[in-house]
Amino acid sequence: NAGVTQTPKFQVLKTGQSMTLQCAQDMNHEYMSWYRQDPGMGLRLIHYSVGAGITDQGEVPNGYNVSRSTTEDFPLRLLSAAPSQTSVYFCASSRSIDRVYNEQFFGPGTRLTVL
Amino acid sequence: KQEVTQIPAALSVPEGENLVLNCSFTDSAIYNLQWFRQDPGKGLTSLLLIQSSQREQTSGRLNASLDKSSGRSTLYIAASQPGDSATYLCAVRVSNDYKLSFGAGTTVTVRA
Repeated sequence: NAGVTQTPKFQVLKTGQSMTLQCAQDMNHEYMSWYRQDPGMGLRLIHYSVGAGITDQGEVPNGYNVSRSTTEDFPLRLLSAAPSQTSVYFCASSRSIDRVYNEQFFGPGTRLTVL
Repeated sequence: KQEVTQIPAALSVPEGENLVLNCSFTDSAIYNLQWFRQDPGKGLTSLLLIQSSQREQTSGRLNASLDKSSGRSTLYIAASQPGDSATYLCAVRVSNDYKLSFGAGTTVTVRA
């Protein structure tokens, strides 16, 4: 298994540009989520999905959209990039949200800089 | 709101010494607690997951304990090695919530 994969690894955008961060998992996990990691702020949840076709907002959803058309993929879209969105973005998945299978597995991250 | 604290923020030990990393949380109504390792510029690697009904979990040289009533978890790493140098994060999932609340991490340096 490749686990959780993310592309690209690095990205530089100009203010106002849009882009999609890709996330895929090959473990048939129901639950997927996106976090951002910022110095001094720790990791914060952006959006999550409990299954194909079901998404919801986390702590810091403004400026981001998600969709989940398949079990495997959970892309994160930046609608109009702002310097405040400069961060490291991590995608995570777990087998389910049930107690026993809730261990979260993280991808390698995408380092985004918005100029 | 769940607050997760990790003290100390940084730790330096000689090789062979046992490591003790602390994590405290304010809301004891947790679903589970997970310990992660993060190497510089890399993603998070899951080390141990402790369910709220468990008191400890072990994997190789790693042992994590959980005291829900006092809002504490401790990660023990036996006989540390230079390869254990990394940042260790604890994360708590509160009941009826999907997100993980993370601590800021403890950065460990093991000196050869």
